[in-house]
Amino acid sequence: EAGVAQSPRYKIIEKRQSVAFWCNPISGHATLYWYQQILGQGPKLLIQFQNNGVVDDSQLPKDRFSAERLKGVDSTLKIQPAKLEDSAVYLCASSPTGTSGRNEQFFGPGTRLTVL
Amino acid sequence: AQRVTQPEKLLSVFKGAPVELKCNYSYSGSPELFWYVQYSRQRLQLLLRHISRESIKGFTADLNKGETSFHLKKPFAQEEDSAMYYCALSGGSKGANSKLTFGKGITLSVRP
Repeated sequence: EAGVAQSPRYKIIEKRQSVAFWCNPISGHATLYWYQQILGQGPKLLIQFQNNGVVDDSQLPKDRFSAERLKGVDSTLKIQPAKLEDSAVYLCASSPTGTSGRNEQFFGPGTRLTVL
Repeated sequence: AQRVTQPEKLLSVFKGAPVELKCNYSYSGSPELFWYVQYSRQRLQLLLRHISRESIKGFTADLNKGETSFHLKKPFAQEEDSAMYYCALSGGSKGANSKLTFGKGITLSVRP
């Protein structure tokens, strides 16, 4: 089965510019996560979707970050305007739901964002 | 609040030596614990989870609720084990509980 796809793989922008990341989860996976991984840290959840609804966005900086998952499949994460501290790898993950006892998340390759 | 602590950043061992990667957690309920691994130029992937009680690639991890630990162990390290290892915790498999809280990770380097 195809894995989680993300694009672009790399992005360099200047502060105050806007940027968008795209994620295509594994087919049939209802749950989609966006994580931010700053250098030297573990991934940190930004937002979690169940189908096209938001389950948890408590750690999303909503003044500059937004995300959507229209139609419950693909998702986009946007930053507007970007700050220097947004430089990180943005990881998308998906998992199936309704499978008792299974909570395996499948990760995409990530998008490495550099804000200058 | 849930928290995962990996106290070491780097562990360097010789091939054939035992390995123990430490993980401690803080969680008020009954957590699910995982080890994820990232090999060079590959994506993050699940190595093992405590509920499965299985050995993957010779690695095992036992959940110790008394010590709130989930250390990863392997009796004889191989060069192909060199990678970044993350310990992670979730509150369950449903809804918002399914989100993962990660530790900072540890680099395991196995020398020939």
